[in-house]
Amino acid sequence: DTAVSQTPKYLVTQMGNDKSIKCEQNLGHDTMYWYKQDSKKFLKIMFSYNNKELIINETVPNRFSPKSPDKAHLNLHINSLELGDSAVYFCASSQVMGGGQPQHFGDGTRLSIL
Amino acid sequence: EDKVVQSPLSLVVHEGDTVTLNCSYEVTNFRSLLWYKQEKKAPTFLFMLTSSGIEKKSGRLSSILDKKELFSILNITATQTGDSAVYLCAVLNAGGTSYGKLTFGQGTILTVHP
Repeated sequence: DTAVSQTPKYLVTQMGNDKSIKCEQNLGHDTMYWYKQDSKKFLKIMFSYNNKELIINETVPNRFSPKSPDKAHLNLHINSLELGDSAVYFCASSQVMGGGQPQHFGDGTRLSIL
Repeated sequence: EDKVVQSPLSLVVHEGDTVTLNCSYEVTNFRSLLWYKQEKKAPTFLFMLTSSGIEKKSGRLSSILDKKELFSILNITATQTGDSAVYLCAVLNAGGTSYGKLTFGQGTILTVHP
C-alpha cells in the first residue's frame, strides 16, 4: 500500500489554466506538507497543515491555495498557471509537527506549463 | 532564515569506493538533521540525527552530527551502482514562526560507475 499518494503523476497544461493536485496519506499522520522542487533539485516548503489547520505558509503567490478536507488529505489548487510554476510538487506527511519523526514523501507530480 | 549547504554538489566514483557527503547548516531553533536519498521519485528517509557524536548506521551507510560545528556527514562504504542518487540533507526547526519547518540543502548528486 502506498503511504503517501499523489494524483496526477504528470500534468501538462497551458498558461492561464487552473489545476489541482490531490494528496492522500494512509499513515494516520497529523501533519501534511506541500513542497516544490525546481529544475536544480532544490526542494522548498510551501505549506503545512496540522490537523486541517494551516501552520506554515511560505512566501508563495496567492494563486496557490491548499485545502485540507480532513487530516488524511491535502490538495493543492493553482490558479492562472504561469511558466515559472513548472516544477515537481511533492506532498509529504509526518506523525506530528516538529517532532522526532521524519517526513514521508509522495512520488511527486510533474507539472509542465506550455 | 535557516540555511543548509551541501558539498560536493556532485561526485562520480567507481563501485567499491567510499564516499563522504557533507552538510553544514544554520538554523534558529535546531530540532534535528535528516538525510534523504532521492532516485527518480520520492525522497526516501535515511537517518534522523538529534544528538552530537552519536553515529547512526544502516548497512553500508552511516551518519554523524556535530552540533558545535553545525555539520553532519554521510558516509557510504563499498559503493554500489544502486547508490547512485541525489542525497538531500535537511534541518528541522523547532521554534517560533518556523516551528516544524524542514529546510533542505541543494543536494549532492552521486554517480557510481561499475
